[in-house]
Amino acid sequence: DAGVIQSPRHEVTEMGQEVTLRCKPISGHDYLFWYRQTMMRGLELLIYFNNNVPIDDSGMPEDRFSAKMPNASFSTLKIQPSEPRDSAVYFCASSQQGPYEQYFGPGTRLTVT
Amino acid sequence: GESVGLHLPTLSVQEGDNSIINCAYSNSASDYFIWYKQESGKGPQFIIDIRSNMDKRQGQRVTVLLNKTVKHLSLQIAATQPGDSAVYFCAENGAAGNKLTFGGGTRVLVKP
Repeated sequence: DAGVIQSPRHEVTEMGQEVTLRCKPISGHDYLFWYRQTMMRGLELLIYFNNNVPIDDSGMPEDRFSAKMPNASFSTLKIQPSEPRDSAVYFCASSQQGPYEQYFGPGTRLTVT
Repeated sequence: GESVGLHLPTLSVQEGDNSIINCAYSNSASDYFIWYKQESGKGPQFIIDIRSNMDKRQGQRVTVLLNKTVKHLSLQIAATQPGDSAVYFCAENGAAGNKLTFGGGTRVLVKP
């Protein structure tokens, strides 16, 4: 099993540009979670999906952030326009059932200059 | 890679000794708890979990203890090895059920 796959691993962009982060969950996992990790705020849940449907997006910081899951094997997190304060490591995680045994991807380190 | 706040609690352990990492959780409605290990530049890695109907669960070299009375969770690592050096996070599912809320993390440094 390849585990959760994220791309790109590193992204450097300029303020105002659109950024798209990608995630492929573990096959057979019905839940997908997007997290953000920063030194100041730790690990924060942004949004999660169940069977490709967004269930809770209360952690999404503002309208500049959007996430989609067009099918069971792919999800995107988009930031438009990006700002320097969006710099963080973004993780995708998946699980078979709710919060139980979530498996994390390697993360995307985003730097917005 | 950066993972948590600048002032992470740090536990220094001699190689071969046992480690105990503590976590105070906040929500008495939580019924699921989980420990993760995060090495520099990597994503959190699942270690062990426990449900609220248990007070102890053992894995390979790790034991999780749950004290619901005082809302306390601990992770014990037996015979700590250099590869155990990492940041360890506890998480709880809280009242929301399907979401995990993570603690701030504890850095474990294993001295040879």
